[in-house]
Amino acid sequence: GQQLNQSPQSMFIQEGEDVSMNCTSSSIFNTWLWYKQDPGEGPVLLIALYKAGELTSNGRLTAQFGITRKDSFLNISASIPSDVGIYFCAGGTGANSKLTFGKGITLSVRP
Amino acid sequence: AAGVIQSPRHLIKEKRETATLKCYPIPRHDTVYWYQQGPGQDPQFLISFYEKMQSDKGSIPDRFSAQQFSDYHSELNMSSLELGDSALYFCASSLSLFQETQYFGPGTRLLVL
Repeated sequence: GQQLNQSPQSMFIQEGEDVSMNCTSSSIFNTWLWYKQDPGEGPVLLIALYKAGELTSNGRLTAQFGITRKDSFLNISASIPSDVGIYFCAGGTGANSKLTFGKGITLSVRP
Repeated sequence: AAGVIQSPRHLIKEKRETATLKCYPIPRHDTVYWYQQGPGQDPQFLISFYEKMQSDKGSIPDRFSAQQFSDYHSELNMSSLELGDSALYFCASSLSLFQETQYFGPGTRLLVL
């Protein structure tokens, strides 16, 4: 089946630093979504990407839909303590709209 | 802005019991998805509904069933519960079947003892 690869599993950064996360797949996706999840809570949508090559920003977050449609990245600039959480990428194929998730990256921000 | 509502938020059941989880989508959203997330895992797609009809099925056990009602809310019915069913269950909704931006609810944490 389709798989999304996110690595590393955990990232540790200093407050104020920028961080970049990648998501790759061997399959093509028509939509890329980035979610943040706090423990025990539901995933919160950060950015949605619909077109290959699209670059979208949401405050300190920037994400891009890879030109091959097989990857996406998320950048967080000037990190703050509340950026701590698990960041999931998710891909949709458009055929039936279910989402395939990556395994997630746990981000820790040191004050 | 209104979000996806799920109830109950927490549920404790014994093995072999049944459970019903409810999901109320964002107003005007006609598509509902159910996902299961085990500890330390990513959400896994179970089933989805569009306009009250099942639109796709994922790794949902035969012991589980779901439906979407005329007011677009959805219920996930789980029978003969097993210890391995303990997980977070999320409902997500989207504006239409071909709109892939899904908004997730807060989840129901199910613990089977």
